[in-house]
Amino acid sequence: SSELTQDPAVSVALGQTVRITCQGDSLRSYYASWYQQKPGQAPVLVIYGKNNRPSGIPDRFSGSSSGNTASLTITGAQAEDEADYYCNSRDSSGNHQGVVFGGGTKLTVL
Amino acid sequence: EVQLVESGGGLVQPGRSLRLSCAASGFTFDDYAMHWVRQAPGKGLEWVSGISWNSGSIGYADSVKGRFTISRDNAKNSLYLQMNSLRAEDTALYYCAKDYDIAVAGTLVYWGQGTLVTVSS
Repeated sequence: SSELTQDPAVSVALGQTVRITCQGDSLRSYYASWYQQKPGQAPVLVIYGKNNRPSGIPDRFSGSSSGNTASLTITGAQAEDEADYYCNSRDSSGNHQGVVFGGGTKLTVL
Repeated sequence: EVQLVESGGGLVQPGRSLRLSCAASGFTFDDYAMHWVRQAPGKGLEWVSGISWNSGSIGYADSVKGRFTISRDNAKNSLYLQMNSLRAEDTALYYCAKDYDIAVAGTLVYWGQGTLVTVSS
């Protein structure tokens, strides 16, 4: 099956901009989706498709993609954005109905 | 309001079976694919299985293929996961999640709160 690679941890100063990346071959064929997970809570979808935000997600969250890399950008990070972030996509390998997640990135807001 | 409520988790011995259920409400269940995703304690998310709206397309992670079976009952607005030959490494919080699409697209729009499965002797 495909793999998606994320940096384990990233930090950002309050109010600054941070980019979280996700790399994998499947991203050449499929868009990534991004999820935010806070301790003890279920994940929440924050970005999907080319750059779409579900209702209720602040517009400081945005997504982009180039080649085999997808990125989640938080412009003006807030304290409440401190969380784990996961990317996922369809699996482009032999598992035709499969889905794959990245290992997650722990975001610390300083 | 979309609600996904998982049940059926618990403590089970290695090699035994368990069946998880997910009761869905607040949306037209048979208009969407559904998934199971798990998270081992302190670890990341792992996709387990997905099923299209009419059960015509089903996928499994390699780690559970041949042991787990996903199914749905659209008349009961319910999703299931039959887990056989359970192993210690299957210990995790199991989430039920609603897809964005009618097919297995992998964009998980809503998630339940999860049900905990512990495999131990």
